Amino acid sequence: KQEVTQIPAALSVPEGENLVLNCSFTDSAIYNLQWFRQDPGKGLTSLLLIQSSQREQTSGRLNASLDKSSGRSTLYIAASQPGDSATYLCAVRHPRSGNTPLVFGKGTRLSVIA
Amino acid sequence: SAVISQKPSRDICQRGTSLTIQCQVDSQVTMMFWYRQQPGQSLTLIATANQGSEATYESGFVIDKFPISRPNLTFSTLTVSNMSPEDSSIYLCSVEGTSKGLEQYFGPGTRLTVT
Repeated sequence: KQEVTQIPAALSVPEGENLVLNCSFTDSAIYNLQWFRQDPGKGLTSLLLIQSSQREQTSGRLNASLDKSSGRSTLYIAASQPGDSATYLCAVRHPRSGNTPLVFGKGTRLSVIA
Repeated sequence: SAVISQKPSRDICQRGTSLTIQCQVDSQVTMMFWYRQQPGQSLTLIATANQGSEATYESGFVIDKFPISRPNLTFSTLTVSNMSPEDSSIYLCSVEGTSKGLEQYFGPGTRLTVT
């Protein structure tokens, strides 16, 4: 059974710092991996989607990498801002055979201090 | 991308009652998904709703407790029946994008508190 772990569970950094969030998964036979942002009490916003054949994806100050063989992904946030404060969730999907739902980690709660 | 709306955004309900949550998508989709996020926890899939067929429930979730309707390709409802305080959660509707990449999109969620 696929398990997704995110470390650290919480992180507090001063504004302007670069930071890395980690995601690991136990079964490397994934179809894709997706990073989400969740503000308190709200829904999820998709940040980046990486297909199993890709190594990384970039969007603005965000860069996500994927090392499928080792079961790891990182989300790099450059020049952090207070508006980046949120919970970041990692989720993986297995190759489609029927319906294959996303399996989520518990998230990293990020606080960026002005 | 897909734009998803949910109603209500939040509610406070008494135990023993039922609440129906609505989900509307701005495009036609084959599958719609319902997730639950209990306080301090990650997301757990409740069921997958296909238009024109019965919903498929994940282990630990049953139709009597969480009946789902899917009357057309842009709309679904989830009912939380006979509620107890343990049902206090955020309930999220989700769809897959239509591109090959299968990016998943989520609604804003319904925050349910059962007293």
